[in-house]
Amino acid sequence: GAGVSQSPSNKVTEKGKDVELRCDPISGHTALYWYRQSLGQGLEFLIYFQGNSAPDKSGLPSDRFSAERTGGSVSTLTIQRTQQEDSAVYLCASSPRRTSGDTQYFGPGTRLTVL
Amino acid sequence: TQLLEQSPQFLSIQEGENLTVYCNSSSVFSSLQWYRQEPGEGPVLLVTVVTGGEVKKLKRLTFQFGDARKDSSLHITAAQPGDTGLYLCAGGRNTGKLIFGQGTTLQVKP
Repeated sequence: GAGVSQSPSNKVTEKGKDVELRCDPISGHTALYWYRQSLGQGLEFLIYFQGNSAPDKSGLPSDRFSAERTGGSVSTLTIQRTQQEDSAVYLCASSPRRTSGDTQYFGPGTRLTVL
Repeated sequence: TQLLEQSPQFLSIQEGENLTVYCNSSSVFSSLQWYRQEPGEGPVLLVTVVTGGEVKKLKRLTFQFGDARKDSSLHITAAQPGDTGLYLCAGGRNTGKLIFGQGTTLQVKP
């Protein structure tokens, strides 16, 4: 595909369950970013990958959050023991390189609702 | 701590009016980007400014980066209903990570 894709588009889960969110970046993009967005608000940085390594995990809210990237391509964000405050839209973006000023191309997001 | 303060957070105007959105910080950024986001979609880049004092124009939109690279503004001339959406500023540093403002929800009424 031409753009960043994310799945699922919507996820409703019960408090305490684990969830996995998937991101397929644009082919060839080495940098991949995860953000979280509350309703109508700005984006909160979570983690970024350069290739398969994650030099900056500073935005992960707690140790219930983890992410990995394999083959320099697909990334998975995992939230364990979900809480209601985890409800948000999780956005993934990719860019050709990891430099300031590079355009980040965003996927449509996964809307997570924790009941 | 919100590193980028964006204002106003909400703006409702009539078609044909002008408006300005501000993005301010006490920190220096190596770049400043403006995005527009529509419901159910990810943000889409409008412009990137990297030089202090830089001004870029995109049709009816004018973007400016402050001389000290700490602030930026987005001015829309003769707003149209199609301009309705969430506008986000984002400051970049050499790590590539973006720091986003809270966003400005713009509604342009016909």
